Amino acid sequence: NAGVMQNPRHLVRRRGQEARLRCSPMKGHSHVYWYRQLPEEGLKFMVYLQKENIIDESGMPKERFSAEFPKEGPSILRIQQVVRGDSAAYFCASSDRREDYGYTFGSGTRLTVV
Amino acid sequence: QKEVEQNSGPLSVPEGAIASLNCTYSDRVSQSFFWYRQYSGKSPELIMSIYSNGDKEDGRFTAQLNKASQYVSLLIRDSQPSDSATYLCAAYYNQGGKLIFGQGTELSVKP
Repeated sequence: NAGVMQNPRHLVRRRGQEARLRCSPMKGHSHVYWYRQLPEEGLKFMVYLQKENIIDESGMPKERFSAEFPKEGPSILRIQQVVRGDSAAYFCASSDRREDYGYTFGSGTRLTVV
Repeated sequence: QKEVEQNSGPLSVPEGAIASLNCTYSDRVSQSFFWYRQYSGKSPELIMSIYSNGDKEDGRFTAQLNKASQYVSLLIRDSQPSDSATYLCAAYYNQGGKLIFGQGTELSVKP
């Protein structure tokens, strides 16, 4: 039973390029959450998605960031025109929405903007 | 007040001692609480959950919840150097069900 799969593990982008981060939830999980972790900081919620729907994007920056979770395929977090401040670890988590369980996290994507 | 708050530490304890990690929460979170452990450069790993007032024990770990005082704690007995990590407290936000994390407490267990 594969866990939450994220790829790539490491991503290097030049300023101004686009970054695409992918996340496949655990089997049976239809809820996906993206978090960002800056160096020496805690996990900050970005967005919560279900298949084909964005449920809560209150933590997403208003510009350059978008997320989707299509009917088929992984969830994608897209960052357009990356800047150095976007360098961080981006974690995806999935759940089956039972609130007596926590989330299962993927191994994360470490984005470095040079 | 933030929804979930932790002392950032670092907390240093000698090997074999009890490590006590604390977390306070606001009325904006629900009554399900979780402790995650995160090793440097790794992803968070769920180690304990607690929903009812009182203590919940799992091996060397004990989670404590006090709803009247709005705090939750994690005790690690017989601390080992391998317990050295950042410990994150989390709770579900009342509106929308997303998990909100505290800033984490860094624990260092000295041999």
